[in-house]
Parts: sequence; structure tokens; C-alpha cells
Amino acid sequence: AQSVTQLDSQVPVFEEAPVELRCNYSSSVSVYLFWYVQYPNQGLQLLLKYLSGSTLVKGINGFEAEFNKSQTSFHLRKPSVHISDTAEYFCAVTWPGPGYSSASKIIFGSGTRLSIRP
Amino acid sequence: DTAVSQTPKYLVTQMGNDKSIKCEQNLGHDTMYWYKQDSKKFLKIMFSYNNKELIINETVPNRFSPKSPDKAHLNLHINSLELGDSAVYFCASSFTLDRAANTGELFFGEGSRLTVL
Repeated sequence: AQSVTQLDSQVPVFEEAPVELRCNYSSSVSVYLFWYVQYPNQGLQLLLKYLSGSTLVKGINGFEAEFNKSQTSFHLRKPSVHISDTAEYFCAVTWPGPGYSSASKIIFGSGTRLSIRP
Repeated sequence: DTAVSQTPKYLVTQMGNDKSIKCEQNLGHDTMYWYKQDSKKFLKIMFSYNNKELIINETVPNRFSPKSPDKAHLNLHINSLELGDSAVYFCASSFTLDRAANTGELFFGEGSRLTVL
């Protein structure tokens, strides 16, 4: 069965420092991978996604993630964070396939709260 | 123009009451979802509809009944509310994954915070 693990529930960093949020997945089939961001009192919005091709994916707000098939990871990185990056970050996995009944399941990790200190 | 809109945004009610949350999307998607987010931010899928047909029904008490009058709307009705139902409920939409137009991305509403007293 497919699963997603976000190892860190909270990551505090200082402003302008680099950050990495970890995500590991488990799947016996090819997957699509996503990072979503949830700002306080808002819904989730897509930060970036990996479908195929280049393993380094760039997203909005200066974030990027690297798909590592051998390590089954999809870690999110930003070289220099800003106070406005304070939010909850969710890694998600889904798997394409014929028929929507199995393909409509999108599994979310438990989330990582990124808090930025001035 | 809000892509996925849900109402109400906040709902405070007593145990035992019945309440509904409405969701509408104007993105032309054919699949809609209800997610429950608990106080620890954990997201759990509850239901998914594709073109008005129920396709995912996770282990959810039958006090929760989704209704999809058309593919742009998915409402959630909850009977006999309990304290444990307090959470933020998110509506989301997407294209079905076996359509070329879809990459699996979900579009979320802003959430409906339900507080049961």
C-alpha cells in the first residue's frame, strides 16, 4: 500500500536561513508527488509537483524539491526563508492508472509546521 | 472569482444538531472531495464524487451524508453532531486522473471550521 511520511512535525528556522522539509513515500508503482502549503486559516495550495522527467522541480515562492527514486524521497528546500513562509507544509502522493476509482486517492503526509524566527 | 468556495466559513452549534456545508467549484472539474482536518492538522479524505457519482467513501459514520446535485457542487450534511466532529472541513476539486488534462493537483476551498459545543 502507498504511504507518505513527513518525519518532522515542526521545523523552526531563522529568517534568511536555508530549510529542508523531509518527505518519504512508499509505493510499488510509479507515483506523482506534490508539496502543498497551508497558510494560517486558509486552504491548501499547490507549491510544486513531480510527474516525470527532471528530478529537480521548482515551485512558487523560491521552493524546490528533488525526487530521489532510490531513496523514495521528495524533500522540499528553500535556500533562504522569509517570515511569510511560516505555514504548514504537506507532502502528498498519488498514482495514475486506468479508472478513477483507484486513481482518485491522494494521500497526504501528516504535515510539517515551518516557523520562521526573526 | 473564487475557484472553490465553501459556506459557511465558521459554524458553531450544539451537540445533537444537524448542519450542512456547501461547496461549489467553477473550474470545470469533474471530481470533488471532502476532507476533514483535525486539530493536529492531519488531513483525512472522507468522500469523493466523480460526475455526481460517489467513488470514495472512507470509514465515516453514516451521520455524514454527501450530496452532489451536479458536478460543480458537493454538499455535506451532518446529522446528530458530536463533539468529535469539531474540525475544519475542506472541499477540493480536480480532474480525474486518467484525463490528459489532470496531473493530480487538488484545488482547495478555504475550509469550514465546525465547532460542536
